[in-house]
Amino acid sequence: DAKTTQPTSMDCAEGRAANLPCNHSTISGNEYVYWYRQIHSQGPQYIIHGLKNNETNEMASLIITEDRKSSTLILPHATLRDTAVYYCIVRGGGSNYKLTFGKGTLLTVNP
Amino acid sequence: DSGVTQTPKHLITATGQRVTLRCSPRSGDLSVYWYQQSLDQGLQFLIQYYNGEERAKGNILERFSAQQFPDLHSELNLSSLELGDSALYFCASSAMTGAQTNEKLFFGSGTQLSVL
Repeated sequence: DAKTTQPTSMDCAEGRAANLPCNHSTISGNEYVYWYRQIHSQGPQYIIHGLKNNETNEMASLIITEDRKSSTLILPHATLRDTAVYYCIVRGGGSNYKLTFGKGTLLTVNP
Repeated sequence: DSGVTQTPKHLITATGQRVTLRCSPRSGDLSVYWYQQSLDQGLQFLIQYYNGEERAKGNILERFSAQQFPDLHSELNLSSLELGDSALYFCASSAMTGAQTNEKLFFGSGTQLSVL
């Protein structure tokens, strides 16, 4: 699976959009970009995933660049409850599956 | 609520002991994954089962073992416990086999293991 690079931490004001970047320059054609988050000591929570096209669901939007070497997770109106560690993961398929979590980005939403 | 149930929530035991962590996947999910999260190592994949069979193995110690039963619940057995085994243990489930690229995992709330 391709390696990802994320900032260690970011701040965001409550009510504003939070834009979390992720670099995955070695991503290959069949690998998806996944985002999970983990609120303190809780189990990781799936947010969104995509392959090439931008994706949106009730939680967030995922913007993937045309060359697929980077992506941005957008939380349109961040709330205090969005304070968490956000993990960007690139994952392919195959018989030796494992979802590999890096260190992620600690997003702190401030009042 | 992810639909994945883990018991117990907290476990305190002594070095050298053996414990069993239990996981019930979401209804209909056939795959179960176990992860360990410690302060210094982050989230580490341990092992995956699909419909009762082991599918993938990660950084799981020989002192640890797991199985998935016919009713699809899974147990993670940790033996000869050491201080360093203290961690949060998460179970996750998925409707897929683990080989698909388009797969979502749903995590339980974890079991906090403290080895004293």
